[in-house]
Amino acid sequence: QVQLQESGPGLVKPSQTLSLTCTVSGGSSSSGNYYWSWIRQPAGKGLEWIGRIYSSGSTNYNPSLKSRVTISVDTSKNQFSLNLSSVTAADTAVYYCARGPGGGLTWFDPWGQGTLVTVSS
Amino acid sequence: QTVVTQEPSFSVSPGGTVTLTCGLSSGSVSTTYYPSWYQQTPGQAPRTLIYNTNSRSSGVPDRFSGSILGNKAALTITGAQADDESDYYCVLYMGSGIWVFGGGTKVTVL
Repeated sequence: QVQLQESGPGLVKPSQTLSLTCTVSGGSSSSGNYYWSWIRQPAGKGLEWIGRIYSSGSTNYNPSLKSRVTISVDTSKNQFSLNLSSVTAADTAVYYCARGPGGGLTWFDPWGQGTLVTVSS
Repeated sequence: QTVVTQEPSFSVSPGGTVTLTCGLSSGSVSTTYYPSWYQQTPGQAPRTLIYNTNSRSSGVPDRFSGSILGNKAALTITGAQADDESDYYCVLYMGSGIWVFGGGTKVTVL
């Protein structure tokens, strides 16, 4: 059974780059026709899709974040990563990674447990 | 940019039925938007309930069902239970590799 776990700094200074990694276990980030996504949720607010990456490295991003987002994949480590540049307090949120959607999997499942990132000096 | 709309909140009595909807600020939702639904309780990651409009995820009770009602996707809870009190989110595929979440619906069972 595939499991996902987010990791990375819990505190990032304004204007710096937020970097998170999602480790996939119980399967392989390189196997099958899977996409892998990042989603975030500010406290008390809704979910926002950030972007996704295919195992080949092909990406799609939320247009509202596209200029600041880079998602990459390291199939040798069964990991995919998120970089969000020039962060502000508005980027403070719980960040989730998830498998999908795309290809034969048109939904997000499973999800990681989420990791809180606070942007503050 | 198209907005995905959901009711902010709903209240349902135990044993009752509630239908949540997922629409578009412009246009109609169809199966080609691949609507899926997620349940989230405080402090927890979302849990998949419904995918591809009306397919129930593994382990999800059959009191949860998905459909297209009119020009929206819908999630119906039939025979609501206390532990159905959660936030519910839909997500739609907008094409060109872009997915958009709705704002979520807070369901209260009382």
